[in-house]
Amino acid sequence: DVVLTQTPVSLSVTLGDQASISCRSSQSLEYSDGYTYLEWYLQKPGQSPQLLIYEVSNRFSGVPDRFIGSGSGTDFTLKISRVEPEDLGVYYCFQATHDPYTFGAGTKLELK
Amino acid sequence: AVQLVESGGGLVQPKESLKISCAASGFTFSNAAMYWVRQAPGKGLEWVARIRTKPNNYATYYADSVKGRFTISRDDSKSMVYLQMDNLKTEDTAMYYCTALAYWGQGTLVTVSS
Repeated sequence: DVVLTQTPVSLSVTLGDQASISCRSSQSLEYSDGYTYLEWYLQKPGQSPQLLIYEVSNRFSGVPDRFIGSGSGTDFTLKISRVEPEDLGVYYCFQATHDPYTFGAGTKLELK
Repeated sequence: AVQLVESGGGLVQPKESLKISCAASGFTFSNAAMYWVRQAPGKGLEWVARIRTKPNNYATYYADSVKGRFTISRDDSKSMVYLQMDNLKTEDTAMYYCTALAYWGQGTLVTVSS
C-alpha cells in the first residue's frame, strides 16, 4: 500500500505568516492517464473534512488563492500564504492513484 | 445544494453486524464514485471503501483492514450508498463519513464494545 508521510506533525504560526506542509509518497502518484491524484483536505475542529486541492495544484470551488499546491511524482507541498483564523485545523494529503487509497497522518496547524 | 446524510450508526457488540446508509442529493449521484472514510476517536482519517459507477461495473475496493468483512453498495435509483459491516471489531469504532471526495456528510458514529 502507498504510504504518505506528512511533515511536520504540527505547525505553530502567527496570523499572517506563511505555512508549508510536505507530503511524501512511498511511490509515484502519477497514474497511467498522466494525471496525479494527490489531494489536500482541511478538517476544522468539530467538522467534516473539506476538499482544498485536487490533482496536486487545482483549487476546489471557493478555496482562496492563498492555498497553493505543488509537486510531482512522490513529493508534494501545500503552502498557505498569510494564514487566517479560519485556516486552523488538521490538514491531510490523500492519494487516489493506487488502490487502496490512503491518507497521510495529518498536520495540525495552530496558533503560536 | 449538495447534501450527504449518513444514518444507521450505533452501539454494537464485537462480532455483530451493522449496516449504515448515506442519502445523497444535489448532484448527479449515478455519475459519482462514492466512498466511505472513517475516523477513530482522536485519530486521523482512514479510507475504507469505494464503489465506482455503472459504466465501471460498480467495481468495489476496500482497505486491507476491512476487506472480507465490509461490503459497499449503492442504489442509483434512490441516490443511496451503503456500508454493510460484518464481524465488527473494537478497532472499527469510529465516525464513518460518506463522501464523493468533493462533498462530505456529517458522519455517523459506530461504536463496537462489549
